[in-house]
Amino acid sequence: GAVVSQHPSWVICKSGTSVKIECRSLDFQATTMFWYRQFPKQSLMLMATSNEGSKATYEQGVEKDKFLINHASLTLSTLTVTSAHPEDSSFYICSASRAGSLGDTQYFGPGTRLTVL
Amino acid sequence: RKEVEQDPGPFNVPEGATVAFNCTYSNSASQSFFWYRQDCRKEPKLLMSVYSSGNEDGRFTAQLNRASQYISLLIRDSKLSDSATYLCVVWRAGNMLTFGGGTRLMVKP
Repeated sequence: GAVVSQHPSWVICKSGTSVKIECRSLDFQATTMFWYRQFPKQSLMLMATSNEGSKATYEQGVEKDKFLINHASLTLSTLTVTSAHPEDSSFYICSASRAGSLGDTQYFGPGTRLTVL
Repeated sequence: RKEVEQDPGPFNVPEGATVAFNCTYSNSASQSFFWYRQDCRKEPKLLMSVYSSGNEDGRFTAQLNRASQYISLLIRDSKLSDSATYLCVVWRAGNMLTFGGGTRLMVKP
């Protein structure tokens, strides 16, 4: 068990459009989901921590009005990149930790590759 | 200074070689430690957790030195399929995983 899916797996969009990425825990409940971004040849950088039913906690330097996160249920979190620009092109990966767990084990989704033209 | 530091490599080794990666972390509040493997354009996958007593999983051995804030991964008898980027990851309370920059390994025939 502990499968996390992401949709879409890749997306190409025009500058100025908004893109929504979904992250789902398929076979477990996730009270906490995490959103990461990875630029080429760099490591994963945590963008925000999303708790079910509450506002997301954003890392320093991440604009909360640009990267909208919604975690409406125990199995779904969404990240919306609003008014995307070419510099937002990146690999976006979500992860989830099981409800009731310590939180140090996170299950990663397969990632979404965003290209903004 | 980055919270988790790794030599980016690449480490180019022949099949069958033994290779070791090191990692240092700066936050002494870190509580759990992991090595992840990431293949090109894929998500990271947990390779193994790292314990103070050291632990082994087949050809892979991980060590943790809390006093020196140092983590290592040893891969014996390297296979072509071991070629990947290895990420040193630490966790502390608050559910935060912090990733190192990764060490790239290329195993050649």
